Amino acid sequence: KAGVTQTPRYLIKTRGQQVTLSCSPISGHRSVSWYQQTPGQGLQFLFEYFSETQRNKGNFPGRFSGRQFSNSRSEMNVSTLELGDSALYLCASSPDRGEGNTIYFGEGSWLTVV
Amino acid sequence: AQRVTQPEKLLSVFKGAPVELKCNYSYSGSPELFWYVQYSRQRLQLLLRHISRESIKGFTADLNKGETSFHLKKPFAQEEDSAMYYCALGSGNTGKLIFGQGTTLQVKP
Repeated sequence: KAGVTQTPRYLIKTRGQQVTLSCSPISGHRSVSWYQQTPGQGLQFLFEYFSETQRNKGNFPGRFSGRQFSNSRSEMNVSTLELGDSALYLCASSPDRGEGNTIYFGEGSWLTVV
Repeated sequence: AQRVTQPEKLLSVFKGAPVELKCNYSYSGSPELFWYVQYSRQRLQLLLRHISRESIKGFTADLNKGETSFHLKKPFAQEEDSAMYYCALGSGNTGKLIFGQGTTLQVKP
C-alpha cells in the first residue's frame, strides 16, 4: 500500500496570503489528522476528520481550517498567513475505530512564510 | 488536562550502553500510549504501542499506571538508534495524539 502522501512538499508564501495543503491517506483509512511541527512548540494537533466530518479539534485559531472529501482525501487551509505559521505540517491517517488507531504519518509539507 | 512530558531534550550514550528515554503522562481515563521515532530526513513512524506489549528493534516500553509513566528502554544501544523519539498519548481510539516535546537520542561510537 502507498503511504500517506502530502503535496506540495515545500512552499513559500508571503504574510497575509492563504495556503492550501493536500493529503491523500493510506487506501482504506477514513481518519485523517493534521499536525503542526515547529522547533519551539513541537508537534501539535490541529484537527481530525472522519467520514467528512471534523471529529476533533486542537487549540488553533480559526484561520486554520480543513475538510475531507468523500474519497477520504483531505485539505487544510491557513488564511491570512503570519510569520509564526512557518512550520512543517504533517498529515496522518488511521483505520476506522475498532481496528486500533495505529496512526501513519506523511512526510509533511514545509511552509515558509516571509 | 492531557499532557505528555519528556524531561530530557537530549540523551547521549555510547554504543552498547543501556538506554532509557523517559515519558510521563497526565490523563484521567484509560491511556493509549505510543512511542514514535523520526530518523534524520525520514517521516515520523510508530515504534511501539503499549497495547501490543511487543519489542521492536530491541526497544520495549511498559505502561506504569501508578507512576503514570511509559519509559522506552533498550539494553544495548546501536548507532542506528540515533534519532528523535516522541512519546504520544492517544485519545479514545481516534486520530488525535498529544505528543511530548521529544528526546534526541545520540549514540556515540
